[in-house]
Amino acid sequence: EAEVAQSPRYKITEKSQAVAFWCDPISGHATLYWYRQILGQGPELLVQFQDESVVDDSQLPKDRFSAERLKGVDSTLKIQPAELGDSAMYLCASSRGLAGVSEQFFGPGTRLTVL
Amino acid sequence: ILNVEQSPQSLHVQEGDSTNFTCSFPSSNFYALHWYRWETAKSPEALFVMTLNGDEKKKGRISATLNTKEGYSYLYIKGSQPEDSATYLCAFPSISSGSARQLTFGSGTQLTVLP
Repeated sequence: EAEVAQSPRYKITEKSQAVAFWCDPISGHATLYWYRQILGQGPELLVQFQDESVVDDSQLPKDRFSAERLKGVDSTLKIQPAELGDSAMYLCASSRGLAGVSEQFFGPGTRLTVL
Repeated sequence: ILNVEQSPQSLHVQEGDSTNFTCSFPSSNFYALHWYRWETAKSPEALFVMTLNGDEKKKGRISATLNTKEGYSYLYIKGSQPEDSATYLCAFPSISSGSARQLTFGSGTQLTVLP
């Protein structure tokens, strides 16, 4: 069964350092999402790609976060510099169509701890 | 800010008990309602995507109903088993920027089934 791959699964870093997360969606899924989930809350969308284009990054803190999906397949989310408040689970998901009625398939997430 | 509310926040039931929980969402401009299950150390998994008022969907012992006029959905689990222990999330697609929709998640209901 096809799955969304993410790496690393866990990352511990010090504040002001740079971190990067990688996601490989299910083959053929045009839409890719990055979410941040803080303990006790639901996932919050950071950025949504349709192929290689960003369709929604309204909640991405652009002063320190960046995301790319250069060839419309895998994607990288970067934080530079990391702050204490960035400690969270970062989830990647993909779907065949745009968000709405298309179910999303999630990866296992990257647990980030900023010290 | 879109409000998607889930209750209760957490729930402990005995094995064999049936249980249900609620997701409330804005009743105007309804598009769809998603339910996801998130087991510890695993990826969130789609359960249902519901689009029609009065819709009822079923997957094994889990079923969901939808009332778009009053803005709520119920998730039912019949004869709970320890493997049903998970956080159950509902999500409501809303327009964010341009014409792109994004899923707004509730905070989830954390279910623990005691053997």
